[in-house]
Amino acid sequence: SQELEQSPQSLIVQEGKNLTINCTSSKTLYGLYWYKQKYGEGLIFLMMLQKGGEEKSHEKITAKLDEKKQQSSLHITASQPSHAGIYLCGARLGGGATNKLIFGTGTLLAVQP
Amino acid sequence: GAGVSQSPRYKVAKRGQDVALRCDPISGHVSLFWYQQALGQGPEFLTYFQNEAQLDKSGLPSDRFFAERPEGSVSTLKIQRTQQEDSAVYLCASSLARRLAGGNQGTQYFGPGTRLTVL
Repeated sequence: SQELEQSPQSLIVQEGKNLTINCTSSKTLYGLYWYKQKYGEGLIFLMMLQKGGEEKSHEKITAKLDEKKQQSSLHITASQPSHAGIYLCGARLGGGATNKLIFGTGTLLAVQP
Repeated sequence: GAGVSQSPRYKVAKRGQDVALRCDPISGHVSLFWYQQALGQGPEFLTYFQNEAQLDKSGLPSDRFFAERPEGSVSTLKIQRTQQEDSAVYLCASSLARRLAGGNQGTQYFGPGTRLTVL
């Protein structure tokens, strides 16, 4: 089974609507990273969370790491077509010995004008 | 350039051929990672370098996969005797910090990837 579960797997929203993507782990998250990927391209770094309860915002995107550090959410307010793409959460799990990231399977977001 | 670059962007190989994929990390970045991304999946870790030392190769799927970073900057991922199951996007990432670093220094910045298709 996947160590990091993302939900939903895909999402279609009308432009202007809000949406939330979740990332859940069975292990403690040590450094949770949100990336965005467009088809055929690499991952673009969005935000990093490390402390339980931490919340960061950039433009219309807000990410939170829950107190128990096993779940993160990404919230987009007033979505725009430019927000379309695949959102991936990546994390170091269980305090491992390297900085390697474990990724979820991604959430495909489409925004209808 | 400011970002991670990879070449070639696309590679088509016949089954059994050897391929070499190149990664140029961000200048000054100590750590370098290779990931493999199958269609519709998230990236999966292959191997990790700190400068020229390969500290973790636990994700390499077989002994046909080999990576090196001889001078601590550019890295090459080599796949020998390619198989159809090797078809994927190979992503390279670099970060400023040494191992176990948290905070912004641990953030990994990704290149555009090399899409490998094995026929």
